[in-house]
Amino acid sequence: DAGVTQSPTHLIKTRGQQVTLRCSPKSGHDTVSWYQQALGQGPQFIFQYYEEEERQRGNFPDRFSGHQFPNYSSELNVNALLLGDSALYLCASSPGVGRGLSGGGKQFFGPGTRLTVL
Amino acid sequence: LAKTTQPISMDSYEGQEVNITCSHNNIATNDYITWYQQFPSQGPRFIIQGYKTKVTNEVASLFIPADRKSSTLSLPRVSLSDTAVYYCLVGNLTSGSARQLTFGSGTQLTVLP
Repeated sequence: DAGVTQSPTHLIKTRGQQVTLRCSPKSGHDTVSWYQQALGQGPQFIFQYYEEEERQRGNFPDRFSGHQFPNYSSELNVNALLLGDSALYLCASSPGVGRGLSGGGKQFFGPGTRLTVL
Repeated sequence: LAKTTQPISMDSYEGQEVNITCSHNNIATNDYITWYQQFPSQGPRFIIQGYKTKVTNEVASLFIPADRKSSTLSLPRVSLSDTAVYYCLVGNLTSGSARQLTFGSGTQLTVLP
């Protein structure tokens, strides 16, 4: 059973460009969350997707957008890249979070995509 | 917002028990406490989760006092491979507080031979 997968592993872009990152959740998981992790810091919550809709959003500008597909996979899009967007972008999947299950939600993280903006 | 405070770093020796404490003074009623481990250039890995009292699994124990304003992750008999950053996370993915999930800066545990 494959865990959470992300692509690409590394990406280099220049300021002003747009980027799309992809995530496939763990089998059986229907909820996907995206995090940004700057060097030396902990992950910061960007947003969460369930049933193809953005359910919750952290403190990130509208340049960050996403999408979830019927097979539960997800994309993270970042427009008008800034130097400060350079980070490790993590995708995490959860089982049944969107169905209101209790337990706080246990997340399974992918290996991340390292984005460098020059 | 349930902000967490952890020590920046800790050192230990192989075979010792390690306890990492996290403070979360304004934890909400429906918040859970979850600990993750992260190695360089990898995603965080779930260790243990609890709501109150004590939780134990095959790799760690989690102690939560009655007031839930702090928690302690206990790693028995650490090995060199336990060298990593450990994050305490307070919140609830299943409620509207997921957007407040913030890992903080974590604790760098270094296990020495």
